[in-house]
Amino acid sequence: SQWGEENLQALSIQEGEDVTMNCSYKTYTTVVQWYRQKSGKGPAQLILIRSNEREKRSGRLRATLDTSSQSSSLSITGTLATDTAVYFCATTNAYKVIFGKGTHLHVLP
Amino acid sequence: EAAVTQSPRNKVAVTGGKVTLSCNQTNNHNNMYWYRQDTGHGLRLIHYSYGAGSTEKGDIPDGYKASRPSQENFSLILELATPSQTSVYFCASGDAWGGSAETLYFGSGTRLTVL
Repeated sequence: SQWGEENLQALSIQEGEDVTMNCSYKTYTTVVQWYRQKSGKGPAQLILIRSNEREKRSGRLRATLDTSSQSSSLSITGTLATDTAVYFCATTNAYKVIFGKGTHLHVLP
Repeated sequence: EAAVTQSPRNKVAVTGGKVTLSCNQTNNHNNMYWYRQDTGHGLRLIHYSYGAGSTEKGDIPDGYKASRPSQENFSLILELATPSQTSVYFCASGDAWGGSAETLYFGSGTRLTVL
C-alpha cells in the first residue's frame, strides 16, 4: 500500500470544535491534495500543498506537509454541521493521483 | 466551472455481460481518470490517460479496459462483468503543471450493480 497505517478512519465531534486529520504516505510525492466528499457526490478539492510549502491556509482550513516524515495534516477550525463528509488526502507522482482511504468526519449540530 | 459528466448514473448488468461507462469533460484538461469507490478501500485508480489516444494502467486495472478517443471523452469498459465489479465509479479530469497532476474535477459517479 502507498499509505501508512495510522490514517484515522472515523471521527465524531460537536459543532464548533476544531479537528485535525492526518495522513502518512510511503511513496515519493511532489504534491499532496486534500479532498472532501459529501454524501452522493464526487470528491472536491479543498487544498493543494506542494513539497516546497510547509503550510497552506484557506478560510477555516489549514494544511501542513512534512516531506521528511512523509505526512500531511488537514485542520478545520470552528467546525460546522455542513463539514460532515469524508476527507481524503491524495498524493501525486507525475500523472498519477492516488487517494488514501479517507476519514469520515461527523459534526454533530 | 469545471464540468465532468458521467453516464449512466445507475446501471444494472448481468454477470458476463459487457458494460461501458462514459465520461465527458468540457474543461479541455489533458488528464482523465477512472476510480472505483468501495467501503473500506476509499478511491482506487483503475486507468488514467494524459491525452487523446493514451491510456495507462492504474493500481487495479485487471478486468477493465479504457478508451480515450478524444480530449473530451474517456470510457471504462468491462468486457466480462463480474459481481466483484459492483461499485461506484468516478471519472475525473485534471491538468498537469510541470509534469505533476494538479486539481482533479470529479463527476457525480456511476453506481454499477452486477448480478
